Amino acid sequence: DTGVSQNPRHKITKRGQNVTFRCDPISEHNRLYWYRQTLGQGPEFLTYFQNEAQLEKSRLLSDRFSAERPKGSFSTLEIQRTEQGDSAMYLCASSLQRNEKLFFGSGTQLSVL
Amino acid sequence: AQSVTQLGSHVSVSEGALVLLRCNYSSSVPPYLFWYVQYPNQGLQLLLKYTTGATLVKGINGFEAEFKKSETSFHLTKPSAHMSDAAEYFCAVISGNTDKLIFGTGTRLQVFP
Repeated sequence: DTGVSQNPRHKITKRGQNVTFRCDPISEHNRLYWYRQTLGQGPEFLTYFQNEAQLEKSRLLSDRFSAERPKGSFSTLEIQRTEQGDSAMYLCASSLQRNEKLFFGSGTQLSVL
Repeated sequence: AQSVTQLGSHVSVSEGALVLLRCNYSSSVPPYLFWYVQYPNQGLQLLLKYTTGATLVKGINGFEAEFKKSETSFHLTKPSAHMSDAAEYFCAVISGNTDKLIFGTGTRLQVFP
């Protein structure tokens, strides 16, 4: 069990650029979640996968955001045409099954200038 | 819709004093409740969880929480605070047929010598 791994740890980009983050969940965890956290707030749900299927997407997630989990293992989160309001910590988590505890990665801190 | 409310964004205690962090939930069906802790520059870590059964749940690092259905509460306590307990604490809930963990806004615990 090597834990949930996220890359990169930090990303600084200019407004309008596209960015992509990667998450490697704990092996054999079939559920994978993406959250966003801003300063002083709790993590906010974005989307989640069961294996390769994206089962739910937050209404807060604009069309500029897309997530994939092509082989049911790692996942990517892409943000197109970044805006300053996208600046946040993006957290990934995985779990073995429904209603079980989530294991979180250390996150990717995005700063949009 | 399910939600959690954490009363008090900041709590300060002296080392050795009782720690009490408050959490109230809203759920139309019996919930699963969690407390997570986030140390600076680290990922979220599960402290404890309540699913069914015994309403007093013991977690790591001497923390415990009691599920009180009549009060819709799941307050976190620790009899004697330690300096190393200083962190951000998040209450979270899963309920019903949803699969996503909903977090409160967090409580920052400061421990003074």
